Amino acid sequence: EDKVVQSPLSLVVHEGDTVTLNCSYEVTNFRSLLWYKQEKKAPTFLFMLTSSGIEKKSGRLSSILDKKELFSILNITATQTGDSAIYLCAPLNAGNMLTFGGGTRLMVKP
Amino acid sequence: DAMVIQNPRYQVTQFGKPVTLSCSQTLNHNVMYWYQQKSSQAPKLLFHYYDKDFNNEADTPDNFQSRRPNTSFCFLDIRSPGLGDAAMYLCATSPGLAGEQFFGPGTRLTVL
Repeated sequence: EDKVVQSPLSLVVHEGDTVTLNCSYEVTNFRSLLWYKQEKKAPTFLFMLTSSGIEKKSGRLSSILDKKELFSILNITATQTGDSAIYLCAPLNAGNMLTFGGGTRLMVKP
Repeated sequence: DAMVIQNPRYQVTQFGKPVTLSCSQTLNHNVMYWYQQKSSQAPKLLFHYYDKDFNNEADTPDNFQSRRPNTSFCFLDIRSPGLGDAAMYLCATSPGLAGEQFFGPGTRLTVL
């Protein structure tokens, strides 16, 4: 059975801090890993990672995948209150389906 | 703008009373998915359509059915909602099976 574990479960930081969110996975015939941000609505896409060691960046967010150790991290630098959300990682599995992790709830205080 | 639309955004039904949730897309994507997301939990895939081919997840209860009459529309039917079916229901689309999924805003279902 596919398994996705995200840590920490929740995190409270102050504006300007840097955070690192972790995602470890065990997925049959792994193809890629996706990160989503979910506020009080549907998840919005952040990154899709397919190759190990290649960092993807979008503004203050960046992410990297390690296919050997089966994990990914999402970094957010200079956090802002608008970054407060649940961050979901979701590997794409053998059936080409996403399996979502439980998410990390990030709260950024002013 | 191309998008995924879900109606209604909020749905209240009574225990045992059938309900239908609607999803439409203007993206012309081949694949449409239905997820159930309960409070403080990750989205859980119920089923998906690749074109007209229906694919049910093994642990999706029989109480949940789906229809896709054409490329643009997909419906989630809950035949006899129970209190445990109260959740956010998310529809998503993707061009194929191996890439990014685009989510609609969701329908929050309350069962009284």
